[in-house]
Amino acid sequence: DVKVTQSSRYLVKRTGEKVFLECVQDMDHENMFWYRQDPGLGLRLIYFSYDVKMKEKGDIPEGYSVSREKKERFSLILESASTNQTSMYLCASSLGVGGEAFFGQGTRLTVV
Amino acid sequence: AQSVTQLDSQVPVFEEAPVELRCNYSSSVSVYLFWYVQYPNQGLQLLLKYLSGSTLVKGINGFEAEFNKSQTSFHLRKPSVHISDTAEYFCAVFGSQGAQKLVFGQGTRLTINP
Repeated sequence: DVKVTQSSRYLVKRTGEKVFLECVQDMDHENMFWYRQDPGLGLRLIYFSYDVKMKEKGDIPEGYSVSREKKERFSLILESASTNQTSMYLCASSLGVGGEAFFGQGTRLTVV
Repeated sequence: AQSVTQLDSQVPVFEEAPVELRCNYSSSVSVYLFWYVQYPNQGLQLLLKYLSGSTLVKGINGFEAEFNKSQTSFHLRKPSVHISDTAEYFCAVFGSQGAQKLVFGQGTRLTINP
């Protein structure tokens, strides 16, 4: 069965902390994505990657960075967490162009 | 760059009534189009997708969508809804060329009343 796993379901961090959100997929997908989901705003794309070590900015990259050292793992980094980064973070992966995206269960991050 | 607009943030309907959830997109290249559903407290799952071919696409749970290139729309329809269709629905677009960016709309919350 297809699987995208996010390392944590819930996280609470302090303002200014460096935060790592990890995502692992077991489907050998080229594409991986990080979104944040906020009520009324839908899913907003933070960063995506179409190959190992490749990354592209999405629509709201400010305050975030990513790392993809291995094909199966895509990490989202909050360099200095702020309260406006409190959100649900979703990771997804897909195969090739036009492939169905499979989502992880999400990480609800609260920054206090 | 691609973008997606879902024209209704909330749609309330009565059980067994028909429903249409509207989606418009913009893109400078050919696109692939998707509808995803998120049931309460669950993850996103694919309802249906348009890649090429017939403009009428059928998905799971009796949903269908029609791709209209001239109107840049991909509206989702179901002829008769059930209580179990209560969920949030997301339209998404994936550009067929260039950076392979998957962009979602703001979501439409479908509420079915008995």
